[in-house]
Amino acid sequence: DAKTTQPPSMDCAEGRAANLPCNHSTISGNEYVYWYRQIHSQGPQYIIHGLKNNETNEMASLIITEDRKSSTLILPHATLRDTAVYYCIVRATGANNLFFGTGTRLTVIP
Amino acid sequence: DAGVTQSPTHLIKTRGQQVTLRCSPISGHKSVSWYQQVLGQGPQFIFQYYEKEERGRGNFPDRFSARQFPNYSSELNVNALLLGDSALYLCASSLDPLNTEAFFGQGTRLTVV
Repeated sequence: DAKTTQPPSMDCAEGRAANLPCNHSTISGNEYVYWYRQIHSQGPQYIIHGLKNNETNEMASLIITEDRKSSTLILPHATLRDTAVYYCIVRATGANNLFFGTGTRLTVIP
Repeated sequence: DAGVTQSPTHLIKTRGQQVTLRCSPISGHKSVSWYQQVLGQGPQFIFQYYEKEERGRGNFPDRFSARQFPNYSSELNVNALLLGDSALYLCASSLDPLNTEAFFGQGTRLTVV
């Protein structure tokens, strides 16, 4: 069953920050938030994951609210190559599969 | 380093036939998972294998089966193909059985006619 809610689509101007929201109001204490993206005709690509602290890597930042019921993936300077479907996934510790849902289609506009 | 490789990239089969899809994980990765992605949907989990043992199975009929070989490569078999089996089949590999960071291949596009 889907545990996350994401907007179906978003646009972002090239060079601006892309902020992709995700609601996961039923998240449990042992569940992580994962983000993957899928560029057209490619397999999904791991972006970042976190439990309760904010996380940053070379691709993106993940901001998780204090109550952990929502999160935001931030692409600090979106480029045209960031156009993709972005999936927010909640996964329990010990779970061995990823439930993708339908994601957010991000379009970066020149 | 080579990423996850899948073969073939495209395949057309007739209803009722059987198909075998292949996946080679990233070197050193012992976990392989299979996903089905129909047009317009996110990938759906089919199987996970770790160290040649099945570790997880999604909600798919028994027509779907898989195995993992001693070199950690994997095959997905689908028998008695239906039109609804037309999809992109994705393989993902990871170092650990929990797929903390799963790396996906480009997929095999199966069309059943």
